[in-house]
Amino acid sequence: ETGVTQTPRHLVMGMTNKKSLKCEQHLGHNAMYWYKQSAKKPLELMFVYSLEERVENNSVPSRFSPECPNSSHLFLHLHTLQPEDSALYLCASSQDRRGGGVTYEQYFGPGTRLTVT
Amino acid sequence: DAKTTQPTSMDCAEGRAANLPCNHSTISGNEYVYWYRQIHSQGPQYIIHGLKNNETNEMASLIITEDRKSSTLILPHATLRDTAVYYCIVIQGYGAGSYQLTFGKGTKLSVIP
Repeated sequence: ETGVTQTPRHLVMGMTNKKSLKCEQHLGHNAMYWYKQSAKKPLELMFVYSLEERVENNSVPSRFSPECPNSSHLFLHLHTLQPEDSALYLCASSQDRRGGGVTYEQYFGPGTRLTVT
Repeated sequence: DAKTTQPTSMDCAEGRAANLPCNHSTISGNEYVYWYRQIHSQGPQYIIHGLKNNETNEMASLIITEDRKSSTLILPHATLRDTAVYYCIVIQGYGAGSYQLTFGKGTKLSVIP
């Protein structure tokens, strides 16, 4: 496997279900991201982990819960979602220069297309 | 971050060079020019970035004018797989800012057989 992989690629879930999205990066990076891309809306940053520490959380509802067990893996746990949460969820990674500021050379996975019914 | 202006759409014949312009007349001295693309229904793909010197990698070349108010992304031999929306982003390269990548409307490049 190369680059950034995401599973599953497609997910349909009911509003009362609990599911998890998985992301794995094979680039040796130390920072990982979750983005949400809704139809006809700009890319929205949800969470950022750098060196396994959450460094950014952009007012995301608590029904989305991230987990970063190590620098190569990132999860997004989902529960009691709403239909408006249907979107493409993208994972990305980069090499963060801690102490040297952020970097915008980010590598994205193919995304998980989520539909909430 | 400085504002960018890109054409809404462009066509390019397969095998020819695709030259995608971007205007960023309010760019400041510590801001970089980044290029990404997004092929339909896929995640964005990083292409290249630069500060003031021209840059080249295996995907593309980036030409930045001497006054840094505009730049051109060059795909030297466009293929059908290069059909995508291309985004020019001007942003402070390193610092204590947000990790958020903000994409504008971009240029939809269509490579024609």
